[in-house]
Order: sequence, then structure tokens, then C-alpha cells
Amino acid sequence: EAGVTQFPSHSVIEKGQTVTLRCDPISGHDNLYWYRRVMGKEIKFLLHFVKESKQDESGMPNNRFLAERTGGTYSTLKVQPAELEDSGVYFCASSQDAGLGTDTQYFGPGTRLTVL
Amino acid sequence: AQSVTQPDIHITVSEGASLELRCNYSYGATPYLFWYVQSPGQGLQLLLKYFSGDTLVQGIKGFEAEFKRSQSSFNLRKPSVHWSDAAEYFCASARQGGYQKVTFGTGTKLQVIP
Repeated sequence: EAGVTQFPSHSVIEKGQTVTLRCDPISGHDNLYWYRRVMGKEIKFLLHFVKESKQDESGMPNNRFLAERTGGTYSTLKVQPAELEDSGVYFCASSQDAGLGTDTQYFGPGTRLTVL
Repeated sequence: AQSVTQPDIHITVSEGASLELRCNYSYGATPYLFWYVQSPGQGLQLLLKYFSGDTLVQGIKGFEAEFKRSQSSFNLRKPSVHWSDAAEYFCASARQGGYQKVTFGTGTKLQVIP
């Protein structure tokens, strides 16, 4: 079974540009999460989808970040316009069961975003 | 609010030596607890998890962790470290019930020397 995949693995852009990160969860997983790790800091929750609906987006830093999950399959995270402080590693995770409190999140390899 | 503390940013051990990575959590009730590992160029891999029951949890790659409610700790241990264990280790927690919004510690980088 394929794991969580993320694309691209690395992205280097200039301040003010737009970048779109993609996450493909494990097939059949209704829950999809985005996290971010800024250099030297902890990994922080950004948002959570249940199928195509945003369950919790309390961790999104500001309105320059837009996450979508079309059809409840893959998800994209767009940063527009990118700022220097957006640099970091963006992780995606997916899990199977919602609301039972016992699901395990499986993480992708992350996308390393560098904003110059 | 939940928080997870990993007091050791960097640890160096000799191959074959025992290992203990510290983790403390802060939460009003008993949370779910996890240890993840990230090897260079890899994603986060789940080593083990604690939901309830036996406080000594066995994981993959020979790791184990013990939940101690009185100390709010969930330390990770391995009796004999291998060079391939060099990686970054993350302790994490999530509240019981509902979906899991995981809170991570800042990570501990493990270096293994011959």
C-alpha cells in the first residue's frame, strides 16, 4: 500500500511569488492534516480535512494560506504571496477513522519550502 | 492547551549503548502519546503509541516507551542503539476523543558514534 506522498519535495521561490503544495493521502483515508515546521521549532498543526470539508483550520497562520481538498482525495496548500517567514517544511498526514479518538496519523516526507 | 517538552535538543550515544529520550507532556487529562522518528530525507515514521492500558508500550525497531502519569512523562528507550538509529525523534500528544490534532515537541536529534 502506498503511503502519503507529497509534491514537490523541495521548492525555492522568491518573496511575493505563489507556491502550491500537493498531498496525496493513503487511499481510503478520510482525514487529511497539514502541519508545518519552521526551522528549529516544533511541528505545528495547520488544518484538518474530513473528506472535502475543513474540520479545523485554527492553525492556519493567515489568509495568505489556502487549503483545498477537491473531491475528498488529494489536497493542495497554496501560499500567495509567499513571505520569508513561510519557509519551513510542510508535512501532510492522513488517517482512517474520524471521531473515534484512536486513529493513527501517517505522515508524508514533507515539502521543504524556501522563500528568498 | 496541550504542550510537549523534549528537554534534550541533541544527544550523542555510542553504538551498542542504551538510549533514553525524555518527553514530558502538559494536559489536564491523559492524552494519547506518540513517538515519531524522522530519518534524513524521510518522512515521519510512527515508532509507537499509547492510548490506554499497559503503560509500557512496545514499538518498532526495538523501541519501547513508558507512560508515567505521576511524572507526566513518556520517555523512549532502547537497550542497544544501532548506527541506523541516528535520526530526529519527536514526542507528540493528542487529546482523547474526537479527531487528533497532534501537538509535537521540538524534537531530539540523536547522533550515534562508533
